[in-house]
Order: sequence, then structure tokens, then C-alpha cells
Amino acid sequence: DTAVSQTPKYLVTQMGNDKSIKCEQNLGHDTMYWYKQDSKKFLKIMFSYNNKELIINETVPNRFSPKSPDKAHLNLHINSLELGDSAVYFCASSHQPGAGELFFGEGSRLTVL
Amino acid sequence: DAKTTQPTSMDCAEGRAANLPCNHSTISGNEYVYWYRQIHSQGPQYIIHGLKNNETNEMASLIITEDRKSSTLILPHATLRDTAVYYCIVRGANNNDMRFGAGTRLTVKP
Repeated sequence: DTAVSQTPKYLVTQMGNDKSIKCEQNLGHDTMYWYKQDSKKFLKIMFSYNNKELIINETVPNRFSPKSPDKAHLNLHINSLELGDSAVYFCASSHQPGAGELFFGEGSRLTVL
Repeated sequence: DAKTTQPTSMDCAEGRAANLPCNHSTISGNEYVYWYRQIHSQGPQYIIHGLKNNETNEMASLIITEDRKSSTLILPHATLRDTAVYYCIVRGANNNDMRFGAGTRLTVKP
């Protein structure tokens, strides 16, 4: 039973489309995150939610909109996809904000053509 | 959060200890040292963390110098499956996120 699961694992789409990536954790954690890892392999935090409330919002284009329907889910919706959005997106969770042990999903590879 | 400096890459022979250094000379008193690793095509994995004292768990040991300006992650008996990028992160206890640098690419060779 995967602790942090993301779907889809691979996503190929055209520029201008809108797409979503879903994330679910079954660890009972309060805090969830989205990270982006670009082609140069730098892993950057995008958003963090604690118990459905946004607590971290990095300088990310407003085409990216996270949604947390409950504390076990944090979905990422991206509007008007651009070539530069191609990356691997990782979801993670932790027991609480400030907890040092994050549990990551396997990643969702988004390719924008 | 304090900045960290790690070598870009290292090699280690299978079965030998892998010692991965990290410099964090600007670390402040309430900042912890965390280590994560990322095996190819997988999500990052937490390894260990510490504040002042040396720490050991089933995966690794963390040695922090007395002045806390540097640390070493030790994998006591490296295997081929330990080939990964290892990230040293310094973070304050009140911060809500984990920020990754470039890390060290460790290659364990047969």
C-alpha cells in the first residue's frame, strides 16, 4: 500500500492545455507539499498545505492552482500549459508543518509539446 | 536557512564505507542538519537528521563537528543500490519546508 501516491505517473500534452495531477497520502499526515524537479534536476518547493490550508506559496505562476479537498489529498491543476512546465512533479507529506521527515511520492513526469 | 556546500560527485567501492561531506559554516544554533537521497527516477527519501550530537539509524550515521560547521553522512557498507544523489539540508526548527540544493551524486562501483 503506497504511502504517497500520485496519478498519473506520466503525462504528455500540448501547449495551451489544462491538466491536473492528483496526490493522496494514507499516512494520516496533516501537511502536504508539491515540488517541481526540472531538467537540471533542481528540486524546488511550490506549495505546502496544512490541514487543507495553504501555508507556503512560492513564486509560482498563477496558472498553477493547488487544491486540497481534505488533508489526505493535494491536487495540482495547471492551466494553459507552457513548454517550461515540463518537469517531474513530486508530492510529499509530513506529520505536521516543520516536521523534518517528508515522505515523497514517485513523481509525475509532465511533458509539454 | 544556512547554505550548504557539497561535492558534486563521489565514487565508492561496493562494501566500503561511503563518507559524504557537507559544509554549513553559517549554520545557526537552532538549525538542524538533514540528509535525504534520491535514487534515479524515484522521489527523495529521508535518511537522518541531527542538531549537535552524532546520530545513527538503520540507514546511516551522521557525524556533526563540534562547531557544527560541517557534517559527514556515513553509509557503513555501501551497496550498488545506494547509488543516488545525496542532499544535505540545513533548516530551522520553525520552518515549514525542506529546500534542496544540488547534492552529491554518489556512485557505488562493484
